[in-house]
Amino acid sequence: DAKTTQPPSMDCAEGRAANLPCNHSTISGNEYVYWYRQIHSQGPQYIIHGLKNNETNEMASLIITEDRKSSTLILPHATLRDTAVYYCIVRSQGAQKLVFGQGTRLTINP
Amino acid sequence: DTEVTQTPKHLVMGMTNKKSLKCEQHMGHRAMYWYKQKAKKPPELMFVYSYEKLSINESVPSRFSPECPNSSLLNLHLHALQPEDSALYLCASSSRAFTDTQYFGPGTRLTVL
Repeated sequence: DAKTTQPPSMDCAEGRAANLPCNHSTISGNEYVYWYRQIHSQGPQYIIHGLKNNETNEMASLIITEDRKSSTLILPHATLRDTAVYYCIVRSQGAQKLVFGQGTRLTINP
Repeated sequence: DTEVTQTPKHLVMGMTNKKSLKCEQHMGHRAMYWYKQKAKKPPELMFVYSYEKLSINESVPSRFSPECPNSSLLNLHLHALQPEDSALYLCASSSRAFTDTQYFGPGTRLTVL
Protein backbone atom coordinates (compact mmCIF):
# COMPACT_ATOMS: atom_id res chain seq x y z
CA ASP A 1 0.00 0.00 0.00
CA ALA A 2 1.14 3.52 -0.75
CA LYS A 3 2.55 5.60 2.07
CA THR A 4 0.74 8.73 3.26
CA THR A 5 2.10 11.97 4.70
CA GLN A 6 0.04 14.16 7.02
CA PRO A 7 0.93 17.20 9.13
CA PRO A 8 1.37 16.09 12.76
CA SER A 9 -1.00 18.71 14.13
CA MET A 10 -3.50 21.40 13.11
CA ASP A 11 -5.75 23.88 14.84
CA CYS A 12 -9.12 25.17 13.71
CA ALA A 13 -11.66 27.55 15.21
CA GLU A 14 -15.05 26.19 16.18
CA GLY A 15 -17.65 26.78 13.47
CA ARG A 16 -15.08 27.12 10.71
CA ALA A 17 -14.26 24.51 8.07
CA ALA A 18 -11.38 22.21 8.96
CA ASN A 19 -9.31 21.17 5.95
CA LEU A 20 -6.97 18.24 6.59
CA PRO A 21 -4.42 17.49 3.84
CA CYS A 22 -2.89 14.15 2.95
CA ASN A 23 -0.15 13.39 0.44
CA HIS A 24 -0.06 9.97 -1.22
CA SER A 25 2.18 10.56 -4.21
CA THR A 26 2.85 6.85 -4.86
CA ILE A 27 -0.81 5.83 -4.94
CA SER A 28 -1.70 3.35 -7.67
CA GLY A 29 -4.83 3.01 -9.72
CA ASN A 30 -6.64 0.46 -7.59
CA GLU A 31 -5.91 2.07 -4.24
CA TYR A 32 -8.61 3.81 -2.24
CA VAL A 33 -8.14 6.72 0.15
CA TYR A 34 -9.77 6.13 3.54
CA TRP A 35 -10.18 8.54 6.42
CA TYR A 36 -10.70 7.52 10.03
CA ARG A 37 -10.56 9.53 13.20
CA GLN A 38 -9.84 8.54 16.78
CA ILE A 39 -11.12 10.55 19.66
CA HIS A 40 -8.97 10.13 22.77
CA SER A 41 -8.90 6.50 24.01
CA GLN A 42 -11.80 5.43 21.78
CA GLY A 43 -11.81 3.12 18.77
CA PRO A 44 -11.15 4.60 15.32
CA GLN A 45 -14.28 5.89 13.62
CA TYR A 46 -14.76 5.53 9.88
CA ILE A 47 -15.39 8.87 8.18
CA ILE A 48 -15.30 8.51 4.40
CA HIS A 49 -13.42 6.92 1.51
CA GLY A 50 -12.98 7.44 -2.21
CA LEU A 51 -11.16 6.23 -5.31
CA LYS A 52 -11.16 9.03 -7.89
CA ASN A 53 -14.20 11.20 -7.47
CA ASN A 54 -14.93 13.61 -4.67
CA GLU A 55 -17.19 12.16 -2.02
CA THR A 56 -19.52 13.68 0.57
CA ASN A 57 -21.48 12.19 3.43
CA GLU A 58 -23.11 13.49 6.59
CA MET A 59 -19.78 13.78 8.36
CA ALA A 60 -17.35 15.21 5.81
CA SER A 61 -16.27 15.77 2.24
CA LEU A 62 -13.29 14.16 0.55
CA ILE A 63 -11.57 16.03 -2.27
CA ILE A 64 -9.08 13.98 -4.32
CA THR A 65 -6.85 15.78 -6.79
CA GLU A 66 -7.07 14.80 -10.43
CA ASP A 67 -3.67 13.09 -10.37
CA ARG A 68 -4.74 11.34 -7.11
CA LYS A 69 -1.46 12.24 -5.44
CA SER A 70 -3.13 14.13 -2.62
CA SER A 71 -6.47 14.57 -0.93
CA THR A 72 -8.19 16.84 1.56
CA LEU A 73 -10.74 15.91 4.19
CA ILE A 74 -13.13 18.77 4.90
CA LEU A 75 -15.21 19.05 8.07
CA PRO A 76 -17.55 21.87 7.02
CA HIS A 77 -18.48 23.31 10.43
CA ALA A 78 -16.06 22.02 13.04
CA THR A 79 -17.23 21.54 16.62
CA LEU A 80 -15.29 20.84 19.80
CA ARG A 81 -16.31 17.18 19.43
CA ASP A 82 -14.28 16.98 16.22
CA THR A 83 -11.05 17.23 18.22
CA ALA A 84 -9.31 13.93 17.41
CA VAL A 85 -6.45 12.27 15.55
CA TYR A 86 -7.34 11.95 11.87
CA TYR A 87 -5.80 9.13 9.86
CA CYS A 88 -5.50 9.12 6.08
CA ILE A 89 -4.98 5.56 4.83
CA VAL A 90 -4.34 4.28 1.32
CA ARG A 91 -5.63 0.78 0.85
CA SER A 92 -5.49 -1.37 -2.24
CA GLN A 93 -8.51 -3.28 -3.44
CA GLY A 94 -8.22 -6.72 -1.93
CA ALA A 95 -6.04 -5.64 0.99
CA GLN A 96 -7.30 -7.14 4.21
CA LYS A 97 -5.59 -4.77 6.55
CA LEU A 98 -5.51 -1.09 7.26
CA VAL A 99 -2.03 0.37 7.75
CA PHE A 100 -2.30 3.45 9.94
CA GLY A 101 0.27 6.25 9.75
CA GLN A 102 0.89 8.78 12.49
CA GLY A 103 -2.15 10.88 11.57
CA THR A 104 -2.94 14.56 12.21
CA ARG A 105 -3.94 15.70 15.66
CA LEU A 106 -6.73 18.22 15.01
CA THR A 107 -7.66 20.57 17.83
CA ILE A 108 -10.84 22.61 17.55
CA ASN A 109 -10.61 25.79 19.61
CA PRO A 110 -13.62 27.66 21.05
CA ASP B 1 -26.14 0.16 12.71
CA THR B 2 -22.37 -0.21 12.67
CA GLU B 3 -21.79 -1.30 16.24
CA VAL B 4 -18.96 -3.50 17.39
CA THR B 5 -18.93 -4.20 21.13
CA GLN B 6 -15.94 -5.20 23.23
CA THR B 7 -15.73 -6.49 26.78
CA PRO B 8 -14.30 -5.73 29.21
CA LYS B 9 -13.58 -2.01 28.82
CA HIS B 10 -10.61 -2.28 31.16
CA LEU B 11 -8.56 -5.26 32.29
CA VAL B 12 -5.69 -5.51 34.73
CA MET B 13 -3.83 -8.81 34.88
CA GLY B 14 -0.68 -10.29 36.28
CA MET B 15 1.96 -11.97 34.16
CA THR B 16 0.83 -15.44 35.25
CA ASN B 17 -2.89 -14.88 34.65
CA LYS B 18 -5.04 -16.19 31.83
CA LYS B 19 -7.73 -13.84 30.58
CA SER B 20 -9.83 -13.34 27.46
CA LEU B 21 -11.04 -10.33 25.51
CA LYS B 22 -14.36 -10.57 23.74
CA CYS B 23 -15.66 -8.84 20.62
CA GLU B 24 -19.14 -9.10 19.16
CA GLN B 25 -20.94 -7.74 16.10
CA HIS B 26 -24.44 -8.38 14.81
CA MET B 27 -24.11 -6.74 11.41
CA GLY B 28 -23.68 -10.00 9.52
CA HIS B 29 -20.04 -9.17 8.83
CA ARG B 30 -17.86 -12.11 7.83
CA ALA B 31 -14.44 -10.61 8.56
CA MET B 32 -13.16 -9.68 12.00
CA TYR B 33 -9.87 -8.17 13.12
CA TRP B 34 -7.73 -7.61 16.19
CA TYR B 35 -5.51 -4.52 16.36
CA LYS B 36 -3.14 -3.43 19.11
CA GLN B 37 -2.48 0.22 19.92
CA LYS B 38 0.32 1.32 22.22
CA ALA B 39 0.15 4.74 23.84
CA LYS B 40 0.62 7.62 21.39
CA LYS B 41 1.05 5.22 18.47
CA PRO B 42 -1.31 4.25 15.62
CA PRO B 43 -3.17 0.92 15.70
CA GLU B 44 -1.32 -2.11 14.32
CA LEU B 45 -2.96 -5.21 12.91
CA MET B 46 -2.57 -8.48 14.83
CA PHE B 47 -5.01 -10.97 13.30
CA VAL B 48 -7.65 -11.24 10.57
CA TYR B 49 -10.44 -13.81 10.47
CA SER B 50 -12.35 -14.30 7.26
CA TYR B 51 -15.42 -16.56 7.31
CA GLU B 52 -14.32 -17.82 10.74
CA LYS B 53 -10.91 -18.91 9.50
CA LEU B 54 -7.66 -17.23 10.45
CA SER B 55 -6.33 -15.56 7.32
CA ILE B 56 -3.64 -13.23 8.66
CA ASN B 57 -1.37 -13.54 11.71
CA GLU B 58 1.07 -10.62 11.78
CA SER B 59 3.76 -12.68 13.54
CA VAL B 60 2.07 -12.19 16.88
CA PRO B 61 3.63 -14.03 19.87
CA SER B 62 1.86 -17.22 20.88
CA ARG B 63 0.89 -15.75 24.27
CA PHE B 64 -1.91 -14.11 22.24
CA SER B 65 -4.34 -16.73 20.94
CA PRO B 66 -7.30 -15.65 18.79
CA GLU B 67 -10.49 -17.62 18.41
CA CYS B 68 -13.53 -17.12 16.22
CA PRO B 69 -16.28 -19.45 17.51
CA ASN B 70 -18.88 -18.11 15.07
CA SER B 71 -19.36 -15.31 12.60
CA SER B 72 -20.49 -12.82 15.27
CA LEU B 73 -17.92 -13.45 17.93
CA LEU B 74 -14.16 -12.99 18.20
CA ASN B 75 -12.08 -13.75 21.27
CA LEU B 76 -8.48 -13.02 22.15
CA HIS B 77 -7.07 -15.35 24.80
CA LEU B 78 -4.18 -13.97 26.81
CA HIS B 79 -1.64 -16.00 28.75
CA ALA B 80 1.72 -15.18 30.33
CA LEU B 81 1.73 -11.62 29.07
CA GLN B 82 4.51 -9.13 29.67
CA PRO B 83 4.18 -5.56 30.94
CA GLU B 84 5.07 -4.32 27.43
CA ASP B 85 1.83 -5.94 26.18
CA SER B 86 -0.12 -3.24 27.99
CA ALA B 87 -2.09 -1.45 25.29
CA LEU B 88 -5.52 -0.69 23.85
CA TYR B 89 -6.81 -3.78 22.04
CA LEU B 90 -9.21 -2.95 19.24
CA CYS B 91 -11.60 -5.23 17.42
CA ALA B 92 -13.02 -4.40 14.00
CA SER B 93 -15.33 -6.05 11.51
CA SER B 94 -16.19 -5.68 7.83
CA SER B 95 -18.66 -7.28 5.46
CA ARG B 96 -15.91 -9.29 3.85
CA ALA B 97 -12.18 -9.19 4.32
CA PHE B 98 -11.51 -7.62 0.94
CA THR B 99 -12.25 -4.00 0.01
CA ASP B 100 -14.93 -3.40 2.60
CA THR B 101 -14.93 -0.70 5.24
CA GLN B 102 -13.80 -1.79 8.68
CA TYR B 103 -15.79 -0.67 11.71
CA PHE B 104 -14.08 -0.57 15.06
CA GLY B 105 -15.21 -1.26 18.59
CA PRO B 106 -14.34 0.97 21.54
CA GLY B 107 -11.40 -1.18 22.61
CA THR B 108 -10.23 -2.91 25.77
CA ARG B 109 -7.58 -1.09 27.80
CA LEU B 110 -5.23 -3.81 29.06
CA THR B 111 -2.68 -3.30 31.83
CA VAL B 112 -0.21 -6.09 32.61
CA LEU B 113 1.45 -5.84 36.01
